Amino acid sequence: DAKTTQPPSMDCAEGRAANLPCNHSTISGNEYVYWYRQIHSQGPQYIIHGLKNNETNEMASLIITEDRKSSTLILPHATLRDTAVYYCIVTSGNNRLAFGKGNQVVVIP
Amino acid sequence: SQTIHQWPATLVQPVGSPLSLECTVEGTSNPNLYWYRQAAGRGLQLLFYSVGIGQISSEVPQNLSASRPQDRQFILSSKKLLLSDSGFYLCALRTISGNTIYFGEGSWLTVV
Repeated sequence: DAKTTQPPSMDCAEGRAANLPCNHSTISGNEYVYWYRQIHSQGPQYIIHGLKNNETNEMASLIITEDRKSSTLILPHATLRDTAVYYCIVTSGNNRLAFGKGNQVVVIP
Repeated sequence: SQTIHQWPATLVQPVGSPLSLECTVEGTSNPNLYWYRQAAGRGLQLLFYSVGIGQISSEVPQNLSASRPQDRQFILSSKKLLLSDSGFYLCALRTISGNTIYFGEGSWLTVV
């Protein structure tokens, strides 16, 4: 699976859009981009995933660049409950599934 | 829908004692199963994964082992725990299509 790079931490203002970047320059054609978040002492929660096209669901939007080497998770209106560690992973349908250290996002009132 | 059950949720064990954490899944067949560990303030470290009964791939050659005696059962074990084994252990499954990944609620292990 391709490696991902995320900032170790970032702050976001409550009520504003939060844009979380992820670089995955070695992504291959059959690898999906997944986003999860983890609130302290809980299992990771699925947010969204995509292959090529931008995706949107009730939680967030995922913007994937045309060359697929990077993506951005957008939380449209950040709330205090969005404070969490956000993980970006890229993986194909193969077996290994590794996470990085994630991005500690803190939503500030 | 797929569900994952992990137990025990919390465990306090003395150094040198054995360990058995169990993970069972429902609602899917032939999933890939994973064990992760998360030390305090750290990211998720992949420990083991399994693509089928009796098939285990190890990422971390330490004093932990894993077994998959049944399709929907994944067990993490140790014969002698170390202080460094303390952490939050998570089981995850990946459906056969590969597009859905689910996590259990985790097991907190404190080695004293």
